[in-house]
Parts: sequence; C-alpha cells; structure tokens
Amino acid sequence: EDQVTQSPEALRLQEGESSSLNCSYTVSGLRGLFWYRQDPGKGPEFLFTLYSAGEEKEKERLKATLTKKESFLHITAPKPEDSATYLCAVQLLTDSWGKFQFGAGTQVVVTP
Amino acid sequence: SQTIHQWPATLVQPVGSPLSLECTVEGTSNPNLYWYRQAAGRGLQLLFYSVGIGQISSEVPQNLSASRPQDRQFILSSKKLLLSDSGFYLCAWSPLEGHYGYTFGSGTRLTVV
Repeated sequence: EDQVTQSPEALRLQEGESSSLNCSYTVSGLRGLFWYRQDPGKGPEFLFTLYSAGEEKEKERLKATLTKKESFLHITAPKPEDSATYLCAVQLLTDSWGKFQFGAGTQVVVTP
Repeated sequence: SQTIHQWPATLVQPVGSPLSLECTVEGTSNPNLYWYRQAAGRGLQLLFYSVGIGQISSEVPQNLSASRPQDRQFILSSKKLLLSDSGFYLCAWSPLEGHYGYTFGSGTRLTVV
C-alpha cells in the first residue's frame, strides 16, 4: 500500500536552531514529491517540487532534498515567521490526473 | 497571473441541511480542479477531481458531490450534512496533471452542529 509518513509530528525550535523534517514514502513509483507550508486557517502554500533522487531545492532558509525513500526539509537558522505546518505530498508515477497523497504534516513552532 | 477564489471562509450548518461551497479560478483555462478535506491532525484527503467541464471523479464514497458547470468553476455540495462532514475544505487547481504542484484556495472551515 502506498504511504506517506512525516516525522516528527511537532517540532519546537529556538530561533536560530537548525533542524530537519522528514517525509518518508513507500510507493510503487514516484513521479514527484512536493513540499507545502500551511499557516493556521489557511490553504497550503507551495514550496518545492522534487523529481529524482539526489535533487535539492532551496528557498531562503529552507532546503529540500530527495532520496529514493525519503525527503528532508532542512530549516537553517529559523525565525519565528517560519512557524507553520509543513506538508509533503507524493504523486505516483502511474498518476495522470494530478492526484497527490499527503502526509499528516509536521507542526513547527519557532520561539524568539 | 492565476488566482483561485474559495468561499465562504467559515460556515456553521445544522445536521441535515444542504451545503454548497464554490471555487473559481482566474487567469487560466482548462485547469485540473480538486476538492480536498483536512481533518484536525490528519493529512489532506482527496474528495473529487475534475479534468474538464462535466468530468468529475470521486475518490471517496460519501455524503458529498461535486459539479463543474463552467471551465473554471468547481462546486462541492451535499443534500443533507452529517456531523462527520465537519472539517476544513480546500479547493486547488493545477495545470498539466499536477506535474508542477497545486495552488490551493484559502479554505472553508465547515462546522456541522
């Protein structure tokens, strides 16, 4: 069965304390892996797309990496405005309609 | 540029009442459209997707239905709401079968009482 699992469920960081979020997946074939940021009461905001193992993408203090079994979202020297829930999603190789499978998310709180 | 509008932002409805949530996309044509539901502490669950006018596919059998009366309009409906229909409903669109990710609307918080 195809699964997407995110860990940890919640993460509390001090401002400047770097850390990583994990998204592990067991799927029959990966077309793409997506990272989103979601603020409370709002729709998810697109961050990155990764397509192949070894690929990396960066945006400000965020860096996403991909292996054959998991993806990491690294937050370098986080600031309070980085507090949000981070979601990952996978699109299967067999999918041609844009149907994604989402993980449950990691809630990140960055304190000053 | 493309924008997606979703309304209402919040809704409190009694059990057994009907539901209609609307989503429209501007600035693009023939988008793929999606309805997701997000329960507290859980991931997004795909409810419906549409690749064209009148073409609706359901992922989860339930008390809800969807329609696409126009190219850039997607409507989520129910004839009689259940308590279990409460949640955060999100509309999204993508070009090219989702290869470049979704753009989500701002969501509707539905509480069935």
